[in-house]
Amino acid sequence: KAGVTQTPRYLIKTRGQQVTLSCSPISGHRSVSWYQQTPGQGLQFLFEYFSETQRNKGNFPGRFSGRQFSNSRSEMNVSTLELGDSALYLCASSLLAVDSYEQYFGPGTRLTVT
Amino acid sequence: AQKITQTQPGMFVQEKEAVTLDCTYDTSDPSYGLFWYKQPSSGEMIFLIYQGSYDQQNATEGRYSLNFQKARKSANLVISASQLGDSAMYFCAMREVSNAGNMLTFGGGTRLMVKP
Repeated sequence: KAGVTQTPRYLIKTRGQQVTLSCSPISGHRSVSWYQQTPGQGLQFLFEYFSETQRNKGNFPGRFSGRQFSNSRSEMNVSTLELGDSALYLCASSLLAVDSYEQYFGPGTRLTVT
Repeated sequence: AQKITQTQPGMFVQEKEAVTLDCTYDTSDPSYGLFWYKQPSSGEMIFLIYQGSYDQQNATEGRYSLNFQKARKSANLVISASQLGDSAMYFCAMREVSNAGNMLTFGGGTRLMVKP
């Protein structure tokens, strides 16, 4: 079974630009969560999507948005990039069943904003 | 207040020895889950072990075991017989069931370095 895939793996953008990151969950998984990892703030939850609906949102400005498609693939978008958005963005997928609790993470997208 | 605290920013362990990584948590939710993840330098988060708040026994997965002390709100990870490949960042995380959904709250991590 294929794991969680994220594209692109690396990205360099300029301040003020926008960026879209993609995440394909494990087949059959309907829950997709996004996390931002920085040296200063650590791992922080961005948002979670389940069946195309946002279920949870972390404490991030409105510049960060996401969506999920009917095939469970998810995208996150960051508009008007700032230097502080440089981070590793991790996507996790989950079956979200009563007896299945694991979240499987992808390799991440490393975003550098210059 | 910090929900997950990992007090050891870095640790060294000799190859083949056991090591304990500390994790304390804070929640008022009676139902929660505790996770440990390993993050090598490549960046990918690798699931290691899970403990539910109602589980009576400590979780074990191969060389990993979780020392769960509910009254003390601690969930320490024990790695037996350390290997060079265990060198990585280790994160403790919690999922509170009352939060609709699947949000994990992570600790700050512990960098483990295994010496040959």
